[in-house]
Amino acid sequence: GNSVTQMEGPVTLSEEAFLTINCTYTATGYPSLFWYVQYPGEGLQLLLKATKADDKGSNKGFEATYRKETTSFHLEKGSVQVSDSAVYFCALKVSYRRALTFGSGTRLQVQP
Amino acid sequence: DVKVTQSSRYLVKRTGEKVFLECVQDMDHENMFWYRQDPGLGLRLIYFSYDVKMKEKGDIPEGYSVSREKKERFSLILESASTNQTSMYLCASSPPGQGTTGELFFGEGSRLTVL
Repeated sequence: GNSVTQMEGPVTLSEEAFLTINCTYTATGYPSLFWYVQYPGEGLQLLLKATKADDKGSNKGFEATYRKETTSFHLEKGSVQVSDSAVYFCALKVSYRRALTFGSGTRLQVQP
Repeated sequence: DVKVTQSSRYLVKRTGEKVFLECVQDMDHENMFWYRQDPGLGLRLIYFSYDVKMKEKGDIPEGYSVSREKKERFSLILESASTNQTSMYLCASSPPGQGTTGELFFGEGSRLTVL
C-alpha cells in the first residue's frame, strides 16, 4: 500500500538555524507530494507541493524537492523563525485515490 | 477565500452517547473527507464522499458513519461514543478534476473527549 514516513520529533532549533525534516514515501505509481503545516490551535494548511519527479515546491522560505530515485521529499528552510513553530505533515496522493495519505507529523519548536 | 467550517471546536461527551460532527464548505467542492488526528499516528482517513449521498470507507471506518444530504455539508456520526474515539477530528474538501495535485482544504478541527 501507500505510506509516508517522517522523522520523529520534536525538532528543537534556535532561531536562524537551518531546518531539515525528512520524509520518504512508498507508493504505487507516481504520486503528488505535499507538505502541510498546522500552527497551534489551527487546522492544516498547504505549505508546498510537487507533482512530478525533480519538481521543487517552495513557499515562505521553505523548499522541498521531489526525488524519485530516493523516494524522498525532505523539507528545508535556511533560517527558521519562532513563528515557524508548528507541526509539519508530509503527504502523498496517487491518481487512483481521492484522499491523501499522511505521515505521522513532525513537531518543530524554534527557540529565540 | 476558501472556507471549511466545523461546527464545534471542542466537545465533551459520555460513553454511549450519539455524537454528530458537522462540516460545511463554501467552495462547491465535490469531495469531502473526515480524518482523525492522533499523536504519533498522523492523520487517518475515516470516510470520504465524492457526491451527495455517495460515500466510501477510509482506513478506519469502524464505529463511525457519515451523511451527505447536501453538497456543502458532510457529517460524521459516532453512533455510540467510546473512550478510544477521543481525538481531534478534521474535515477537508477538494474539488474534482485537479489532475494529480489533489490539494485538500481543511477546517480548524473538532476536539472530542469521550468520558
